[in-house]
Amino acid sequence: EVQLVQSGAEAKKPGESLKISCKGSGYSFNNYRIGWVRQMPGKGLEWMGIIYPADSDIRYSPSFQGQVTISVDKSISTAYLQWSSLKASDTAIYYCARSAANFFDPWGQGTLVTVSS
Amino acid sequence: EIVMTQSPATLSVFPGERATLSCRASQSVSRYLAWYQQKPGQAPRLLIYGASTRATEIPARFSGSGSGTEFTLTISSLQSEDFALYSCQQYNDWPLTFGQGTKVEIK
Repeated sequence: EVQLVQSGAEAKKPGESLKISCKGSGYSFNNYRIGWVRQMPGKGLEWMGIIYPADSDIRYSPSFQGQVTISVDKSISTAYLQWSSLKASDTAIYYCARSAANFFDPWGQGTLVTVSS
Repeated sequence: EIVMTQSPATLSVFPGERATLSCRASQSVSRYLAWYQQKPGQAPRLLIYGASTRATEIPARFSGSGSGTEFTLTISSLQSEDFALYSCQQYNDWPLTFGQGTKVEIK
């Protein structure tokens, strides 16, 4: 079974750093892109960026370029999304999802990130 | 950036009725259009890709149509488990973009 399992919920303060993870299993991890999608409370889906594990090629949405960093560790079939300095407006659920042709299937269960002083 | 606009924002439907959801692109995306279903507290699930191809294990009551800038998702006879948020996504060009979603609720 193809599965993406994300790291658990995080509660952080503004200015703190954070790295969340997404581990793939049940398929050849290197051969499929992993995308990250934000969903703010009560809002729609926003594409953040996508990485190709085989060569670490990354594309970011202009809205998120410079705000987050996407990376991958092929040796453990895991993709990451990280922030160097969180803001309250980063409070959201973050999903990773596998992509063969730039649509997404399946999705991870989501990681809730809460940023509050 | 291609802007995806979904209508209506909320659709109230009786169980067993047909639901028709619209997704419009600000410029042509050919047939590079996907639909997702998201139930409360759950991750999105792929329903349709390539504008009209059902994903694995998606029931036949879900169908997609359209090309260019106008797309439709039709649910032929709504079941209780179909009340959810539906989002479209274009993958014709970077950046990838989603619509804001249509919530299908019980009338």
